[in-house]
Amino acid sequence: GESVGLHLPTLSVQEGDNSIINCAYSNSASDYFIWYKQESGKGPQFIIDIRSNMDKRQGQRVTVLLNKTVKHLSLQIAATQPGDSAVYFCAGGGDMRFGAGTRLTVKP
Amino acid sequence: DAGVIQSPRHEVTEMGQEVTLRCKPISGHNSLFWYRQTMMRGLELLIYFNNNVPIDDSGMPEDRFSAKMPNASFSTLKIQPSEPRDSAVYFCASRLFGTGRTGELFFGEGSRLTVL
Repeated sequence: GESVGLHLPTLSVQEGDNSIINCAYSNSASDYFIWYKQESGKGPQFIIDIRSNMDKRQGQRVTVLLNKTVKHLSLQIAATQPGDSAVYFCAGGGDMRFGAGTRLTVKP
Repeated sequence: DAGVIQSPRHEVTEMGQEVTLRCKPISGHNSLFWYRQTMMRGLELLIYFNNNVPIDDSGMPEDRFSAKMPNASFSTLKIQPSEPRDSAVYFCASRLFGTGRTGELFFGEGSRLTVL
């Protein structure tokens, strides 16, 4: 199965700044990766996905980068807002195993 | 549309009692996942089903845990007997999985279990 992990357990940014959350994976056979956001008291929710044949994918205020050479994913959030405060997870492969997550705190 | 529905939302029980958690996936989804979340261990995959068939149960902690999916619209996770270390939030998630799909997961709101 997929093994994913996060570089940092917590990240604190100022409102309006850009945030970068990183994730490493071990299974090179993964066809895709997904980023989820979990707000307090709720289940994780889908943010954005990327297929393994892509290097970059953009959504609304979010960009995911995939570096297959070093088996690394990142989630970039532009103009971070207080509502972005949550725990962020990456998950990969068909069986959807999650890493530890990164807690993002946005300071006003 | 209704999302993934879990019950109960909260359960407090005593050590040794049987606990049954229930999940109704989104209609039409063909994969169902059970996760356990704690501060110490994060979000752990316990078991998942494709088309009602268990595919990987390697995350199930011990024989005290069992999961069933008798049909496409219902699944249970049972703990018997329960222990204090089983205290956690248990999430059920479903997705539509198949060729060409990345299959994002849709999570329920979770069942918070406290074993005294």
